[in-house]
Amino acid sequence: DIQMTQSPSSLSASVGDRITITCRASQSIRSYLNWYQQKPGKAPKLLIYVASTLQSGVPSRFSGSGSGTDFTLTISSLQPEDVATYYCQQSFSSPRTFGQGTKVEIK
Amino acid sequence: EVQLVESGGGVVRPGGSLRLSCTASGFTFDDYGMSWVRQVPGKGLEWVSGITWNGGSTNFADSVKGRFTISRDNAKNTLYLQMSNLGVEDTALYHCAREEYFGDYLYFDYWGQGVLVTVSS
Repeated sequence: DIQMTQSPSSLSASVGDRITITCRASQSIRSYLNWYQQKPGKAPKLLIYVASTLQSGVPSRFSGSGSGTDFTLTISSLQPEDVATYYCQQSFSSPRTFGQGTKVEIK
Repeated sequence: EVQLVESGGGVVRPGGSLRLSCTASGFTFDDYGMSWVRQVPGKGLEWVSGITWNGGSTNFADSVKGRFTISRDNAKNTLYLQMSNLGVEDTALYHCAREEYFGDYLYFDYWGQGVLVTVSS
């Protein structure tokens, strides 16, 4: 199975800050990488697919990059409504494994 | 509006069985593959099982292989997860999710709110 490792596990930043979350795959997954946002008590929501394609309706402050084994999710200007846990997920092979999540809070 | 609504959860004893359902609306159900993803409360996401649009192909996480079965009834716009020989480690919130493709890149574009399964004696 492909292991997905996110860092950091949690972060606290100020409104307006630029934040970056990293996701590393245990082997190359080319661009088969998706990012999801989960707010407390809610279902996960797709943010980015194919490593860098923004899902329709997602604010442009979110962006994704990377290929192979190393990927990043960036929020260019953190907003209060971005408080959530963020997960990466690979779809290169089955099982479709997720990272352990990164919890984002406002300082 | 795409909606996925899970049902069938509850409390079951270890070794017991349960069948979850996911009723879909707002899209042509038999155009899409579907998956089940579970989440231990307060923990991360674990993909459990997936099924193609016509039920012709299924796959499972190793943790549930041989104990869980996934199926669908396209006439009823409903996805199922039959769970048997349940253990405490299966306690989780179970989400159904729609599979979408961009070329051969798979992602889950819509999710249900989930249904809670508690395995306890």
